[in-house]
Amino acid sequence: NAGVTQTPKFQVLKTGQSMTLQCAQDMNHEYMSWYRQDPGMGLRLIHYSVGAGITDQGEVPNGYNVSRSTTEDFPLRLLSAAPSQTSVYFCASSSLSGRSQETQYFGPGTRLLVL
Amino acid sequence: EDQVTQSPEALRLQEGESSSLNCSYTVSGLRGLFWYRQDPGKGPEFLFTLYSAGEEKEKERLKATLTKKESFLHITAPKPEDSATYLCAVQAKGTYKYIFGTGTRLKVLA
Repeated sequence: NAGVTQTPKFQVLKTGQSMTLQCAQDMNHEYMSWYRQDPGMGLRLIHYSVGAGITDQGEVPNGYNVSRSTTEDFPLRLLSAAPSQTSVYFCASSSLSGRSQETQYFGPGTRLLVL
Repeated sequence: EDQVTQSPEALRLQEGESSSLNCSYTVSGLRGLFWYRQDPGKGPEFLFTLYSAGEEKEKERLKATLTKKESFLHITAPKPEDSATYLCAVQAKGTYKYIFGTGTRLKVLA
C-alpha cells in the first residue's frame, strides 16, 4: 500500500513551458485534491475531484488544468508555466464514506521552479 | 469569507515545557476542523478531526480542543521530536473545500 505518490519530486521549467504533475493513490479514495504551498501563504487549494469524471475549482485555479479519468490518478497540468507558479505542490486524497471522509492523506510533494 | 488564523507563527520550547497552539476560524457552518503535522520537506500528516464545540481528542503528548470560534492544540511535556509545523484547516458544510491556516512552526530544544 503506497498511499499517495507524486512525480516528479523536483522540476525546473522555463517560462512558457508546459508540464504535468502526476498524482496517484492506491486506497480507492473518491476525493483527490491539489494544493500549492508558498512561504507565509499556507496550503491553498487549486482543484479537487470527488470521483472519476468530476472536477471543480479551488481557491487558486488559474493557470492549472486537471482531469480525473480513473479513481487512482489525478494529474495537474500547467499549460504555460509562469514564475508565479514556482511553489511546492501537494496532492491529497480521502474517502467520502462516513466519518473517515475528512482524513486527507498527502503525497510527498513536487518542488517546481519556473525560471 | 471562510478564514483560518493560526498563532503564534513560531514557538520555541524547552523539552518538557508545555504550551498551546491556537487556531481561530470563521466559517459558514463548520463541518470539521483538522490538525496536521508537517515535517520539513514532507507532506502534511493527519493528526485530529474535531466536529463540534466541546469535543476533545488526544494522541500521545497532543490534545486538541474545539470551541465555536477556535481550536487549541495542547502539547504536554514536549520532546525534540515534536518539532514540526502544525497546520490547522476547516471544512464548511456543503462543500468539499478545505481552508488551511499558515501554520505554527514549533521548535523543542533538548
